Amino acid sequence: DTAVSQTPKYLVTQMGNDKSIKCEQNLGHDTMYWYKQDSKKFLKIMFSYNNKELIINETVPNRFSPKSPDKAHLNLHINSLELGDSAVYFCASSQGVGAYEQYFGPGTRLTVT
Amino acid sequence: AQTVTQSQPEMSVQEAETVTLSCTYDTSESDYYLFWYKQPPSRQMILVIRQEAYKQQNATENRFSVNFQKAAKSFSLKISDSQLGDAAMYFCAYIGQGAQKLVFGQGTRLTINP
Repeated sequence: DTAVSQTPKYLVTQMGNDKSIKCEQNLGHDTMYWYKQDSKKFLKIMFSYNNKELIINETVPNRFSPKSPDKAHLNLHINSLELGDSAVYFCASSQGVGAYEQYFGPGTRLTVT
Repeated sequence: AQTVTQSQPEMSVQEAETVTLSCTYDTSESDYYLFWYKQPPSRQMILVIRQEAYKQQNATENRFSVNFQKAAKSFSLKISDSQLGDAAMYFCAYIGQGAQKLVFGQGTRLTINP
């Protein structure tokens, strides 16, 4: 019973390609997030959705477009991939906005060659 | 803007001993929450412990406890009776009441020596 799942876990692709990462949570949470962990392990918020509505867009390039078809899903589409996009991308969810525990997915390691 | 600082990039401890990981944060808010997350080599982010700023009592979860000093804006994690499975990156994180995102520290890599 995986609480927050992501697919794929690994993604290797060439510069210029378009790719998507999918995230699903079965916790009944209202809020979902995308975080990026860089090569130095630093974690930073990218996007947050609450009840399918975008509430955080943390100055992420337009090539990144999140989509939330329903409260249980938050997908991340990346256009025209660049070398600097190589990172681990984490999906997370929480009960609501604010001071709730955030539960993380297993992460997707994206490598752009 | 809130910031979280972990000044120890790496720590090591002998198995069965106690280790303390440091975290300081900067905020002008009075109501907030602090967390420690563990990231083992499997990459999974695991919540270890949570502290509400309005609570004076330090949080404890089995072998894990915190020393929360609100005035000093310090939030250290103590791991007692260290086990090999405790080896991981540990991240301190902050969120303000009503805020929308966790702010993470840089992480501390903990090695357990057998």
